Amino acid sequence: DADVTQTPRNRITKTGKRIMLECSQTKGHDRMYWYRQDPGLGLRLIYYSFDVKDINKGEISDGYSVSRQAQAKFSLSLESAIPNQTALYFCATGDGNHYGYTFGSGTRLTVV
Amino acid sequence: QKEVEQNSGPLSVPEGAIASLNCTYSDRGSQSFFWYRQYSGKSPELIMFIYSNGDKEDGRFTAQLNKASQYVSLLIRDSQPSDSATYLCAAKPTDKLIFGTGTRLQVFP
Repeated sequence: DADVTQTPRNRITKTGKRIMLECSQTKGHDRMYWYRQDPGLGLRLIYYSFDVKDINKGEISDGYSVSRQAQAKFSLSLESAIPNQTALYFCATGDGNHYGYTFGSGTRLTVV
Repeated sequence: QKEVEQNSGPLSVPEGAIASLNCTYSDRGSQSFFWYRQYSGKSPELIMFIYSNGDKEDGRFTAQLNKASQYVSLLIRDSQPSDSATYLCAAKPTDKLIFGTGTRLQVFP
């Protein structure tokens, strides 16, 4: 089983719909992150969490919300999806040291 | 000015050559630096990290860090077609990684 699992892998949704992307990890890491990736713009941080009671906005949090249900679970919600939220979304985990992050396989989201 | 800058490429090198990928960063407080490889449509995969000035070698990969010049590089020796991917540089100035936009590497036979 993958260390960081994202569901769904692909999703097409309509403008205005609410959608949730889920992430779970077996790494035992406290820190979890949500990024989106767009061509030419790289990885941009949406939200991050250092423990269950700690949630922080990243550089592009508008239009998104998150929930840290447990140490191992971190969900990203789009309350009312819009087409410019079409992107590849990655969840990542880290333990705060020099060793960087472990990424999930990604969710390709298309908003039509 | 972007916090982490990379040339988007593509960088084209022949098989067996050395590929040199470069990255600059703006926050002098950055302590750790990372190189990730990302194949098209796939997730980033950590190749190397470095936090001390100088070189760090791992197999065909060498990371180089020069904090005075705020410069990080990745050398790939004996490049293979399977190395063709986008390489992301990341710096860690605080508690989170800041990524560059990546350099696309193409290794041709």
